[in-house]
Amino acid sequence: EVQLVQSGPEVKKPGESLKISCKGSGNSFTNYWIGWVRQMPGKGLEWMGIIYPGDSDTRYSPSLQGQVTISADKSISTAYLQWSGVRASDTAMYYCARPRETGSSHAGFDIWGQGTMVTVSS
Amino acid sequence: DIQMTQSPSSLSASVGDRVTITCRASQSISNYLNWYQQKPGQAPKLLIYDASSLQSGVPSRFSGSASGTDFILTICSLQPEDSATYYCQQSHTAPLTFGQGTRLEIK
Repeated sequence: EVQLVQSGPEVKKPGESLKISCKGSGNSFTNYWIGWVRQMPGKGLEWMGIIYPGDSDTRYSPSLQGQVTISADKSISTAYLQWSGVRASDTAMYYCARPRETGSSHAGFDIWGQGTMVTVSS
Repeated sequence: DIQMTQSPSSLSASVGDRVTITCRASQSISNYLNWYQQKPGQAPKLLIYDASSLQSGVPSRFSGSASGTDFILTICSLQPEDSATYYCQQSHTAPLTFGQGTRLEIK
């Protein structure tokens, strides 16, 4: 069974750097895009961006480009979401997710990580 | 960005009822429309993809349909476990935007 396992909850102060991870099981990690979805407390889902670990081709939501960096290390089947300096407005649950079709960045997400809660507070 | 507008934002229905949730796209997205169910404290779950295709393992009481830029999620014979928030998502053009969600309460 394919799974995405995310790193644990984080509590950070404004301005601190942060990198959260999403590790895939199975040997097909490089054949699928991996997306990141944000959910602020009590709010809806927001598509942040997506990466193809096979060649690190990355797409970002225009509203978030420059605020976060999405990366991947295919050798360890892991995708990352990182901030150079977090803000209180980054407080949210972050999910990684895999599209249902191999090689497609536009298919619906059928495999989801359990989520990583990020809290930014002084 | 393509805007996805869901209605209603919340609804309440009884076990056995038939409910519909609508999602309207701000421009043509062909049939690139997905529906998700999210329960409190859980990750979203894919229910319907390509507007009307049922994801494997999802009960057949869930169905999706499309007419132009309007998309409908229908739940026939509502069950207690269907209490959740439902989101549509267009997968036609990045960023792959979501609707704002519809909270479904079971009376």
